[in-house]
Amino acid sequence: KQEVTQIPAALSVPEGENLVLNCSFTDSAIYNLQWFRQDPGKGLTSLLLIQSSQREQTSGRLNASLDKSSGRSTLYIAASQPGDSATYLCAVAHMGNEKLTFGTGTRLTIIP
Amino acid sequence: DTGVSQDPRHKITKRGQNVTFRCDPISEHNRLYWYRQTLGQGPEFLTYFQNEAQLEKSRLLSDRFSAERPKGSFSTLEIQRTEQGDSAMYLCASSQMGGASNTGELFFGEGSRLTVL
Repeated sequence: KQEVTQIPAALSVPEGENLVLNCSFTDSAIYNLQWFRQDPGKGLTSLLLIQSSQREQTSGRLNASLDKSSGRSTLYIAASQPGDSATYLCAVAHMGNEKLTFGTGTRLTIIP
Repeated sequence: DTGVSQDPRHKITKRGQNVTFRCDPISEHNRLYWYRQTLGQGPEFLTYFQNEAQLEKSRLLSDRFSAERPKGSFSTLEIQRTEQGDSAMYLCASSQMGGASNTGELFFGEGSRLTVL
């Protein structure tokens, strides 16, 4: 059974700093890995998707990496802004049905 | 296209009542997923459809839960005889599978928050 862990559970950093969020998973037979952002009481917004054959994806100030063999992914946020404050969720898609298994998220607070 | 839409956004009901949630996926998407999220947790898979066929149901989906996607477009999730433990956010997502350019990316709606008193 796939298990996804995100560390830390919560993180507070001053505005302007670069930061890294971590995600680990137990079964390397994945189809893809997605990072999502969730604001309080809202749905999920897709940030980045990395296919199982890829090593990283970039979008603006965000960079996600994938090391499938070690079961790890990181989300790097450059030059953090107060608007980046949210919960960030990592999810891995299963081979065959592509359903997602989620971590419990990292609650990020950017201090102005 | 406005993305995945869910209705209602909020539902408050008394224990024992039935509730139904509706999800309208992105129009060209053939897969539709339901997830449940409780406070402080990540979403948990409930069930998914490919077109109108329900292909998998989680053990979380008790006999009181039923989901349909009758014409392969919108879907409904019904909860009968609600219990306080059903209080959660119910999230719908859709994706387009098949074809060389499809990545399997899931797009989520804003969710339907259920409170059972």
